[in-house]
Amino acid sequence: GIQVEQSPPDLILQEGANSTLRCNFSDSVNNLQWFHQNPWGQLINLFYIPSGTKQNGRLSATTVATERYSLLYISSSQTTDSGVYFCASLGVGGTSYGKLTFGQGTILTVHP
Amino acid sequence: DADVTQTPRNRITKTGKRIMLECSQTKGHDRMYWYRQDPGLGLRLIYYSFDVKDINKGEISDGYSVSRQAQAKFSLSLESAIPNQTALYFCATSVARFTGELFFGEGSRLTVL
Repeated sequence: GIQVEQSPPDLILQEGANSTLRCNFSDSVNNLQWFHQNPWGQLINLFYIPSGTKQNGRLSATTVATERYSLLYISSSQTTDSGVYFCASLGVGGTSYGKLTFGQGTILTVHP
Repeated sequence: DADVTQTPRNRITKTGKRIMLECSQTKGHDRMYWYRQDPGLGLRLIYYSFDVKDINKGEISDGYSVSRQAQAKFSLSLESAIPNQTALYFCATSVARFTGELFFGEGSRLTVL
């Protein structure tokens, strides 16, 4: 099945700093999503971005499907941005068809 | 109210007990999923259902069973719970196309003693 790798595994920032999280996937995908898991365990949809660039406030994401990677940008980070960020991709065929595969996540800690 | 609702949100049980986690959704989606999250391992797919009559095993289905009672309801059962099934369980839904965006419930934290 498809492999999804995220980097870095951990990231520590001071409030106000910018950061870039990366997601690499091993095969063609029809869907790429970014999620934020807050300290209470809830998974919050950030972006549905199979290709191109999207922005939502201080967050933006870019997926280059032909090169099999996606980037999540967080600008002017706040303590409320802390948590785990996951990317997940939906395979196009074989055993991966129709199933969302998650990366291991990036643990982000933002200090005041 | 949440579009995807899981019950119970927290449960502590003993080894050998039967446990059912329930999921209901108001999004009108055909596809439903159960995922399990363990610390440091991301989310792994247990079972998924593309419609009421179509249920499929995911990558870690051993020790679990599911029932799709209706389009809006998908339950996960542990027939005889064991401690290594202690985890955070998520239900998710998506529209019936293979590019569909997934939406998750709030999670059910299960502890098996």
